[in-house]
Amino acid sequence: EIVLTQSPGTLSLSPGERATLSCRASQSLSRSQVAWYQHKPGQAPRLLTYGPSFKATGIPDRFSGSGSGTDFTLTISRLEPEDFAVYYCQHYGSSVNTFGGGTKVEIK
Amino acid sequence: EVQLVQSGAEVKKPGGTVKISCKVSGYRFTDYYMHWVRQAPGEGLVWLGLLDPEEGETFFAEKFQGRITMTADTSADTAYMELSSLTSEDTAFYYCATSSLLLPSFDLLDFWGQGTLVTVSS
Repeated sequence: EIVLTQSPGTLSLSPGERATLSCRASQSLSRSQVAWYQHKPGQAPRLLTYGPSFKATGIPDRFSGSGSGTDFTLTISRLEPEDFAVYYCQHYGSSVNTFGGGTKVEIK
Repeated sequence: EVQLVQSGAEVKKPGGTVKISCKVSGYRFTDYYMHWVRQAPGEGLVWLGLLDPEEGETFFAEKFQGRITMTADTSADTAYMELSSLTSEDTAFYYCATSSLLLPSFDLLDFWGQGTLVTVSS
């Protein structure tokens, strides 16, 4: 199984700042099948990006996914108050999916 | 409107078995895989496995092989996940989740159930 390692574990930022979240795969993902989800307490996770740079329906332009091989990134260009949450990367498209351990984006 | 409605909270003893249901509406049940994901208290999301409701084929995370079962009742548009040999480490919220027509892969999770809390305690 592919292991996804996310860093940092916690990111302390202020509204308006740029957030850069990393997801590293244990082996090269030739088809770049990495997605990102946002998860807030008491809610179901929400799909943000996939493929790795396509946005899901209704996702604001400030969210962007990128990367290839083993290194993938979710960037939030300017943090809004509603963006403080936990973010997970996912490897999809093989018979076995995996999630990374998550990055918490908290208010500084 | 797509909806996934899960069964209610469960309390089980160590060594026991839990079976959670996920009833879908708003789309054809057999069109998309059903995935199961869990989140233990203070922990991250963990993918458990997936079921193809049309073919009955399943794939599981290696960690759960041998003690997890996923089935579907297509006449009732309902998926089931059963986990056996429970320990306190299985205490978690369990979610069913599925994809949508707008996405290029059945493994991209666009619709989620509300979650079912399973507590394992003696």
